[in-house]
Amino acid sequence: DIQMTQSPSSLSASVGDRVTITCRASQTISSYLNWYQQKPGKAPKLLIYAASSLQSGVPSGFSGSGSGTDFTLTISSLQPEDFATYYCQQSYSTPWTFGQGTKVEIK
Amino acid sequence: EVQLVESGGGLVKPGGSLRLSCAASGFTFSSYSMNWVRQAPGKGLEWVSSISGSSNYIYYADSVKGRFTISRDNAKNSLYLQMNSLRAEDTAVYYCATVGARDSSDFWGRGTLVTVSS
Repeated sequence: DIQMTQSPSSLSASVGDRVTITCRASQTISSYLNWYQQKPGKAPKLLIYAASSLQSGVPSGFSGSGSGTDFTLTISSLQPEDFATYYCQQSYSTPWTFGQGTKVEIK
Repeated sequence: EVQLVESGGGLVKPGGSLRLSCAASGFTFSSYSMNWVRQAPGKGLEWVSSISGSSNYIYYADSVKGRFTISRDNAKNSLYLQMNSLRAEDTAVYYCATVGARDSSDFWGRGTLVTVSS
């Protein structure tokens, strides 16, 4: 199985900050990497698919990059509604696997 | 508007069975593969199973293989997850989701809670 490791596990940031979350795969996954946002008590929401493609309706302040084994999710200017937990997920091969999550909290 | 509504969750004893349903609307259900993804209380996301639009391709996580069965009824726009031999570690919120570009899960239901406890 492909292991997905996110860092950091949590971070504290202020509104307006630039935030970067990284995700590393245990083997190459090309660009089969997706990012999700989850707020407490809610279903996950797809933000980025294929490493860098913005899902329809997602604000342009979110961006993704990377290929192979190393990937990044960037929030260019953190908004109040962006405080949530973020998950990466590989869809290169089954079993699809998720990172452990990164919780973005208010500083 | 895409809508996915899960149902069928509840409290079940270890070793028991439960059948989850996911009612889909707002899109051509038969054209899309579907996923079940679960989340144990306070934990991260775990993919459970996937089924192609025509049911030709079915995949399971090792943790549920041989105990869970995914199926769909395209005439009823419904997805199912039959869960047998349930264990305490199967306790989770179960989400159904559509499979989109690059096998991402692009639309999700609100989830249904399954609790396995004596």
